[in-house]
Amino acid sequence: GESVGLHLPTLSVQEGDNSIINCAYSNSASDYFIWYKQESGKGPQFIIDIRSNMDKRQGQRVTVLLNKTVKHLSLQIAATQPGDSAVYFCAENWGDMRFGAGTRLTVKP
Amino acid sequence: DAGITQSPRHKVTETGTPVTLRCHQTENHRYMYWYRQDPGHGLRLIHYSYGVKDTDKGEVSDGYSVSRSKTEDFLLTLESATSSQTSVYFCASLERPGELFFGEGSRLTVL
Repeated sequence: GESVGLHLPTLSVQEGDNSIINCAYSNSASDYFIWYKQESGKGPQFIIDIRSNMDKRQGQRVTVLLNKTVKHLSLQIAATQPGDSAVYFCAENWGDMRFGAGTRLTVKP
Repeated sequence: DAGITQSPRHKVTETGTPVTLRCHQTENHRYMYWYRQDPGHGLRLIHYSYGVKDTDKGEVSDGYSVSRSKTEDFLLTLESATSSQTSVYFCASLERPGELFFGEGSRLTVL
């Protein structure tokens, strides 16, 4: 079946730098793509989403880019802070919600 | 945030025993979901509900059943627990397309 996947399982960045977390998807019928953040011991938390008819969406310090040609989704975090350290999941909405395996972001002081 | 609570938060049980996890939401959300989270697998959908008494299977539904008799409650039952069902279970409800609100998780250990 089709699945959502991530390019890298871990990412380490310096505090203040920008972070880019990538995700590949294969289900071209998905109508929403979503990013979630999960801190240790907690449930995932919604960050930002993008509809399939959009290429880019910006939030507070975060930007999601969608490239439907290559079926690629990315989350950019500007001026990464220690509080951004977490596991980040991409998900696609196609009837139900399917998640990728996650990328662990570590922010070095 | 949506008020969504799970119980119990931690449970240890033995192989072959039935287990029921409860999810309760106070936001009157129509859609509710049960996921399990295991290292290397991320979140995998077990079952979901699109209304009272309306449920459907997810990608890893074998060995699990669900019930939704009221909008606010979504129960996950392991009919006969096995060690492979040791996991962290998350319940979620849907605020709008794409935006799930998750509970804090229920850690289940099957010995």
